[in-house]
Amino acid sequence: EDKVVQSPLSLVVHEGDTVTLNCSYEVTNFRSLLWYKQEKKAPTFLFMLTSSGIEKKSGRLSSILDKKELFSILNITATQTGDSAVYLCAARKTSYDKVIFGPGTSLSVIP
Amino acid sequence: ETGVTQTPRHLVMGMTNKKSLKCEQHLGHNAMYWYKQSAKKPLELMFVYNFKEQTENNSVPSRFSPECPNSSHLFLHLHTLQPEDSALYLCASSHARRGLSGSGNTIYFGEGSWLTVV
Repeated sequence: EDKVVQSPLSLVVHEGDTVTLNCSYEVTNFRSLLWYKQEKKAPTFLFMLTSSGIEKKSGRLSSILDKKELFSILNITATQTGDSAVYLCAARKTSYDKVIFGPGTSLSVIP
Repeated sequence: ETGVTQTPRHLVMGMTNKKSLKCEQHLGHNAMYWYKQSAKKPLELMFVYNFKEQTENNSVPSRFSPECPNSSHLFLHLHTLQPEDSALYLCASSHARRGLSGSGNTIYFGEGSWLTVV
């Protein structure tokens, strides 16, 4: 059965800290890995990773995929209170756009 | 504004009511999705439509009935729901290529419809 696991499930850090969120997957016909940020409402897209070893960056956020070890990490440097959210990892299959979401990591950044 | 609009944003319904959730996307996509997000559970894919054809039904109870009249609109018809169906229902869309197994493209979500069944 396809599954996506995230760790930790929750995390509390102070502003300015650097955090690493983990995502591992066991998915047949894997195509790409997606990261989303969810703040009370709908998830907003962060990154899509298709190839191993190529880091994607957006401001203080970066992410990388390892297709051999079947995991991805999301790094956030110099965290701010606005980074507080649930970060969702999802594995996309080749078959008809099916996407399997992980449980999310709830990040709280305190001043 | 994500380009995917859902209405209503909040809905309270009794177990004997019939209601519908509506989703409209303005992104020129041709794949649309319904997801359910319950408290403390991962997002659950319910239905996928590619080019108006349903290609995925994730063992969803028949009290949920999707309808996709065209590539820009998606409905979720609700009938005789249970209290455990209370959740955030998210619509999403993406590009999809007909005849090919998946596009790998980004999925864009609407802001969701909060449903409470009493």
